[in-house]
Amino acid sequence: DAGVIQSPRHEVTEMGQEVTLRCKPISGHDYLFWYRQTMMRGLELLIYFNNNVPIDDSGMPEDRFSAKMPNASFSTLKIQPSEPRDSAVYFCASSLSPRVDEQYFGPGTRLTVT
Amino acid sequence: DAKTTQPTSMDCAEGRAANLPCNHSTISGNEYVYWYRQIHSQGPQYIIHGLKNNETNEMASLIITEDRKSSTLILPHATLRDTAVYYCIVRNSNDYKLSFGAGTTVTVRA
Repeated sequence: DAGVIQSPRHEVTEMGQEVTLRCKPISGHDYLFWYRQTMMRGLELLIYFNNNVPIDDSGMPEDRFSAKMPNASFSTLKIQPSEPRDSAVYFCASSLSPRVDEQYFGPGTRLTVT
Repeated sequence: DAKTTQPTSMDCAEGRAANLPCNHSTISGNEYVYWYRQIHSQGPQYIIHGLKNNETNEMASLIITEDRKSSTLILPHATLRDTAVYYCIVRNSNDYKLSFGAGTTVTVRA
């Protein structure tokens, strides 16, 4: 298995632009998580899905952030409009159960908003 | 969630055991101790977890004190590929939110 796949690996954009991050979970995993990591705030859960349905989006910072999972093999995290404070590494993880020790992480997307 | 305290950094010689301490004095009775690591430019990787008994797997051993207020992660034979940031957290076993702060930067030297 290729593991969790994320694209792009690096994204540099200007403030105000729309950014779309993509994730392909491990096949057969029913849970998908989006995390954000910064030096200041560490690792934070943004949202997670179970069987393509968003279950907990309490970590989504504001209305500029949205996440979708149209099918079991694809999810997107969109930021519109982007701001410099959104600069971070965004990780996608998938798992067979929601337990923290069973989540497999992708390599992340490093987002820089100038 | 209970707060954990770890040293900022430590060095280790290749081939030797690396002992990483963690304090979690406010841990509650149903919380587990989890260890993760993050190699540069990669996502977090689960290592091991335990409640009160010592645990061992193919990656590491976890020693938890009897009062559960501290623990030690042991990498028995450190390699250069073990260079990473190591995080100690406490969580309920059914928790799904992973979060951590600074961790310990471990550098394995040849």
